[in-house]
Amino acid sequence: GEDVEQSLFLSVREGDSSVINCTYTDSSSTYLYWYKQEPGAGLQLLTYIFSNMDMKQDQRLTVLLNKKDKHLSLRIADTQTGDSAIYFCAESIFSGGYNKLIFGAGTRLAVHP
Amino acid sequence: DAGVIQSPRHEVTEMGQEVTLRCKPISGHNSLFWYRQTMMRGLELLIYFNNNVPIDDSGMPEDRFSAKMPNASFSTLKIQPSEPRDSAVYFCATERGAGANVLTFGAGSRLTVL
Repeated sequence: GEDVEQSLFLSVREGDSSVINCTYTDSSSTYLYWYKQEPGAGLQLLTYIFSNMDMKQDQRLTVLLNKKDKHLSLRIADTQTGDSAIYFCAESIFSGGYNKLIFGAGTRLAVHP
Repeated sequence: DAGVIQSPRHEVTEMGQEVTLRCKPISGHNSLFWYRQTMMRGLELLIYFNNNVPIDDSGMPEDRFSAKMPNASFSTLKIQPSEPRDSAVYFCATERGAGANVLTFGAGSRLTVL
């Protein structure tokens, strides 16, 4: 079935690295995504990775993909208080004739001084 | 570019009343999605339009929910009659083309049904 799982909470100290993990079920997913939701706002695309890549780096963000284990992670280096938000992992599956996003429940990241 | 515009941002209504949520997509984006977000169920896809045509409405909870996209610049999600369990944040999201799943979300409409 279609399922994306992630832990619900993560608390880190400012300046440390954060690692948010996600597992997904559909091995045919072409792309995997990380979206960020700040309080009172909609989701915002952070980054995405093509399924034939193992890693993608974009400034403080590093995405790692282990296709064999269907595991995706997002590492935020030098985490700042402004990074406090909910982070959603999502996989793209072909269903009903189109590419559909399946979201995880979201990981709430709290950054403390 | 003003982004995806949703209205109202907040709505409080009484059970049984009709609720209409509105969305103006980004110009040129021809895919439009309505999502519902709750603590219990997370993000649920309600309906997907492509070029103003409903493609997938399998996520619409029941007949009380309906959605329309009369033209490329406007969509509505209607709940009639509303129930307390419909309380949630409703998001509209749009995408240029179809398939890349690079969605731009609106700020959402927070609905409270008393």
